Amino acid sequence: DVKVTQSSRYLVKRTGEKVFLECVQDMDHENMFWYRQDPGLGLRLIYFSYDVKMKEKGDIPEGYSVSREKKERFSLILESASTNQTSMYLCASIQGSAETQYFGPGTRLLVL
Amino acid sequence: QQQVKQSPQSLIVQKGGISIINCAYENTAFDYFPWYQQFPGKGPALLIAIRPDVSEKKEGRFTISFNKSAKQFSLHIMDSQPGDSATYFCAASVTGNQFYFGTGTSLTVIP
Repeated sequence: DVKVTQSSRYLVKRTGEKVFLECVQDMDHENMFWYRQDPGLGLRLIYFSYDVKMKEKGDIPEGYSVSREKKERFSLILESASTNQTSMYLCASIQGSAETQYFGPGTRLLVL
Repeated sequence: QQQVKQSPQSLIVQKGGISIINCAYENTAFDYFPWYQQFPGKGPALLIAIRPDVSEKKEGRFTISFNKSAKQFSLHIMDSQPGDSATYFCAASVTGNQFYFGTGTSLTVIP
C-alpha cells in the first residue's frame, strides 16, 4: 500500500514563527502536492513538484515556499506564519500520469 | 475562480436512502473525474472515478453519472449507510496535470 506520512498531526505556532511541514511518501512517486483545506473552500493547491528540486506554484502560493531535496520528501515552509494560515494542510503524491492521487492524514495548524 | 463547482454543501439522508452529490465544470479539456471520500481525521481517499468516454460507472453502491454535453457529473450512493457519513469531494484534471477539487459535501446518514 502507498503510504504518505506527514510529520505532525497538530501544530500550534505563534504569528511570525517559521513553520516547517514535512511530507514523505514511500512509493517512489514523481509528483507531490501541498494543499490547504478550509471549510466551504475545499482543497486548494499551494505548490506542487514534478521532480527533485523542481517546484511549481499552485493557486494560492502567497506566504508559502517548498523544498524537495529528495524524491520521497516534500516540505512546505511558512516563512512567517500568520493567523490566516490557520488551516488543515494535506500532502499528496501521484506517479506521473497515473490516476490515483494518495493523500497523507493532514496537519492541522493553528497560528495564534 | 472555481474550476469545479459542487453542491450541496451538506446533505442529510436516512439510512437506506439515496445520496446524490452534483458537480459541474467548465474546462472541456478535463479528461478525468474522480470522487474522493474523507473521514474525520483522515486524508481524502479515492472512491470512484470516470473518464468522459462513458456516461456511467458503478462500483458497488457507488455510481458516477457523467453528462459531457452539460459538463456535469454526479455521485449517487445507493442504500446509504451510517458508515458512509463523510465529506465527499469531486475533482477534475487533465491527465498528468493539476487536480481541481470541488468545495466538498458533508454527508450525514441518519440510522
